[in-house]
Amino acid sequence: AQSVAQPEDQVNVAEGNPLTVKCTYSVSGNPYLFWYVQYPNRGLQFLLKYITGDNLVKGSYGFEAEFNKSQTSFHLKKPSALVSDSALYFCAVRDIFSGNTPLVFGKGTRLSVIA
Amino acid sequence: SAVISQKPSRDICQRGTSLTIQCQVDSQVTMMFWYRQQPGQSLTLIATANQGSEATYESGFVIDKFPISRPNLTFSTLTVSNMSPEDSSIYLCSVGASGATEAFFGQGTRLTVV
Repeated sequence: AQSVAQPEDQVNVAEGNPLTVKCTYSVSGNPYLFWYVQYPNRGLQFLLKYITGDNLVKGSYGFEAEFNKSQTSFHLKKPSALVSDSALYFCAVRDIFSGNTPLVFGKGTRLSVIA
Repeated sequence: SAVISQKPSRDICQRGTSLTIQCQVDSQVTMMFWYRQQPGQSLTLIATANQGSEATYESGFVIDKFPISRPNLTFSTLTVSNMSPEDSSIYLCSVGASGATEAFFGQGTRLTVV
């Protein structure tokens, strides 16, 4: 079975400071990993994904994420947070051998960037 | 990427009535997915809609409550039937997400049942 854990319901960070939103996963094989962001009254927007290769993945809006196989983690990071980054963030996973099955999402982490 | 138009964006409905949500994709896709996002919670998959066959429902969701149509490769509808306040949620349609491909989402339908 596949699963995703986002251990923090809420992350608060001051504008200009680095931010980290945590994600750990569980799959039987190797993972495809994704991060999405949801702004108020909007659908989910794709930020970045890890497929294979370099463990550090860069995505939209200056976000990046680091894949750590030994810790089964895929934390989302940004060097300098903006107030406009305040949103709900979802991590998602799919086992590479699971074919066309839907993504499995974490419960989400609400990021609040304070000016 | 895929562009998904979902409507209505929001609605307030009386209990006992039904609401049909439409999802239009700008390209042909094999599978479309319908999710529910209850307040403050993650996404829960309702069903997978394949063109030309009946939708496949996840545990806890039944066709009588959430009938789905998939008349062609670019369109699907989800109906929330005999609504109760517990059905108040955001409903999202999604495409893509096979193998290493990311999923794309409509903007969601915020449903409030009173």
